[in-house]
Amino acid sequence: GQQLNQSPQSMFIQEGEDVSMNCTSSSIFNTWLWYKQDPGEGPVLLIALYKAGELTSNGRLTAQFGITRKDSFLNISASIPSDVGIYFCAGQPPSNNNAGNMLTFGGGTRLMVKP
Amino acid sequence: NAGVTQTPKFQVLKTGQSMTLQCAQDMNHEYMSWYRQDPGMGLRLIHYSVGAGITDQGEVPNGYNVSRSTTEDFPLRLLSAAPSQTSVYFCASRRALALSGELFFGEGSRLTVL
Repeated sequence: GQQLNQSPQSMFIQEGEDVSMNCTSSSIFNTWLWYKQDPGEGPVLLIALYKAGELTSNGRLTAQFGITRKDSFLNISASIPSDVGIYFCAGQPPSNNNAGNMLTFGGGTRLMVKP
Repeated sequence: NAGVTQTPKFQVLKTGQSMTLQCAQDMNHEYMSWYRQDPGMGLRLIHYSVGAGITDQGEVPNGYNVSRSTTEDFPLRLLSAAPSQTSVYFCASRRALALSGELFFGEGSRLTVL
């Protein structure tokens, strides 16, 4: 299946720092999405992007749909302790036989707090 | 609303045993799906359903069966558990007309196969 390369795999943050993570693919996607997963919970949608070049914000979060349709990034500004968790990118490929609108997920970026 | 409810939250099986993970949603969503989550590999789609009576395979369907007899329920069956099926399983649902990514996930079921 299609692969989404998400980086970094993990990172430590200090409160107040800005955070950046990205996803890349060798194939194009029609939709890019960013989810956050808290411990013991299922992922929750943060931001959805539907058009190449689109830049969307949700509070301190900003995400962009790459112009090539093969990448996306997520920025978190002025991080706070509750930002810790696992962030997943996900993409929906162009639909040929995609009745289920199947998503491909990246491997996740684990955000932790610096001791 | 309860949203997407999965049971059990934790289960330990021996190799060769069978079991069913239950998933129910009370949002009248047409689409339901099962994912497994393994470290560093994100979420991989096992099976999905676009409506009652219709199911299809995802990326990693081997070893799993599903059925969709009602809109609300989408159980995942492991016929003969193997250690490779040790994982966290998530059920997710959405409206048919929802934009593709707006999935609602359950809290997950952690399965260990010894």
